[in-house]
Amino acid sequence: NAGVTQTPKFQVLKTGQSMTLQCAQDMNHNSMYWYRQDPGMGLRLIYYSASEGTTDKGEVPNGYNVSRLNKREFSLRLESAAPSQTSVYFCASSTASADPSYEQYFGPGTRLTVT
Amino acid sequence: GENVEQHPSTLSVQEGDSAVIKCTYSDSASNYFPWYKQELGKRPQLIIDIRSNVGEKKDQRIAVTLNKTAKHFSLHITETQPEDSAVYFCASPGGSQGNLIFGKGTKLSVKP
Repeated sequence: NAGVTQTPKFQVLKTGQSMTLQCAQDMNHNSMYWYRQDPGMGLRLIYYSASEGTTDKGEVPNGYNVSRLNKREFSLRLESAAPSQTSVYFCASSTASADPSYEQYFGPGTRLTVT
Repeated sequence: GENVEQHPSTLSVQEGDSAVIKCTYSDSASNYFPWYKQELGKRPQLIIDIRSNVGEKKDQRIAVTLNKTAKHFSLHITETQPEDSAVYFCASPGGSQGNLIFGKGTKLSVKP
């Protein structure tokens, strides 16, 4: 099992460019999450999906869109990148649906720089 | 919504000493409190968690205590080792849809 995988590992964008971060899990998990991690700010939830076909906003959804393509894949799209979106992005998954009391398994992260 | 505060933001201890990290939460209905460890350049990983029906849980050198009345929970690491150096995050349920709210993290440095 690869667990949770993310692509790309690193990305540099210019302001205004768009891109999609890809995430996939092979653990047959129901819930998937996208977080951003900034120095001193911890892990902040952008969007999550409690099950295939559903998505919900987290703490910091502005400037992002998501797609739960199927049970395995959950993508994060930046339509018009801004320097404030420079961050490390983590995808995570959990076996439960709509229940936070299960371990979240994180991907290796994507380091995004917007110039 | 839920608010999680974590202290201290940085902690430096000598190898062999104990380390304690504290978190407070705001939602009295919260019933699950995990701790995640993130080594430098790595992904966060769950190291221990506690549910609201118990007051303490231990796993070798780490333990978590919960005080529901005061709405705080703590991570205790005994006999610290250099490999314990990492950022530790506490978390609490954020709502009805299965998400967690994370604290801002504590950077623990264990000096040999």
